[in-house]
Amino acid sequence: NAGVMQNPRHLVRRRGQEARLRCSPMKGHSHVYWYRQLPEEGLKFMVYLQKENIIDESGMPKERFSAEFPKEGPSILRIQQVVRGDSAAYFCASSPQRGQGHTGELFFGEGSRLTVL
Amino acid sequence: GQNIDQPTEMTATEGAIVQINCTYQTSGFNGLFWYQQHAGEAPTFLSYNVLDGLEEKGRFSSFLSRSKGYSYLLLKELQMKDSASYLCAVNDYKLSFGAGTTVTVRA
Repeated sequence: NAGVMQNPRHLVRRRGQEARLRCSPMKGHSHVYWYRQLPEEGLKFMVYLQKENIIDESGMPKERFSAEFPKEGPSILRIQQVVRGDSAAYFCASSPQRGQGHTGELFFGEGSRLTVL
Repeated sequence: GQNIDQPTEMTATEGAIVQINCTYQTSGFNGLFWYQQHAGEAPTFLSYNVLDGLEEKGRFSSFLSRSKGYSYLLLKELQMKDSASYLCAVNDYKLSFGAGTTVTVRA
């Protein structure tokens, strides 16, 4: 399966711990996006990355949240000192490089569901 | 900022037609997408409009009016498996999503 791969699918953390969510984009895709979805709500944009670059982090909370997409390996969304309000589904999506006749369609992973106790 | 509005819920009978409206006010526009999301699953692509008019794809059609900031998704011959959330998203170099419309199909 060459789709967007996210892990873990489910993660439980206690308040104050750290959560690390990983995302491997589809083969050939160089753009990665992270979205957060609260129960009964839509997808909220968090951050847009290319390899080794953060392009847009306007949706990221100012504290405790960080994201990276290194030259080698998956993209990581890191949440430090988690609080109960961080409980949500975190979706990663990828797209090919722009300017190649691409519409901007995003291909989503299955999501990582974080529960903070 | 981005403002994308769609109804919260809709209910319809199997075999019927349902139209989900979406209005948007965004700082940029490079196309509008509709995604389907079943509970607990990933959103999956349904349709894309960048020019005014209707795009038809089997039982699903999507319409766009850029001057009105308006789109709709039309679901025909509804099946039970169409019960899901339908997300309207505007592309202004990243996708901004509406809150989604939960469609319930009843027998």
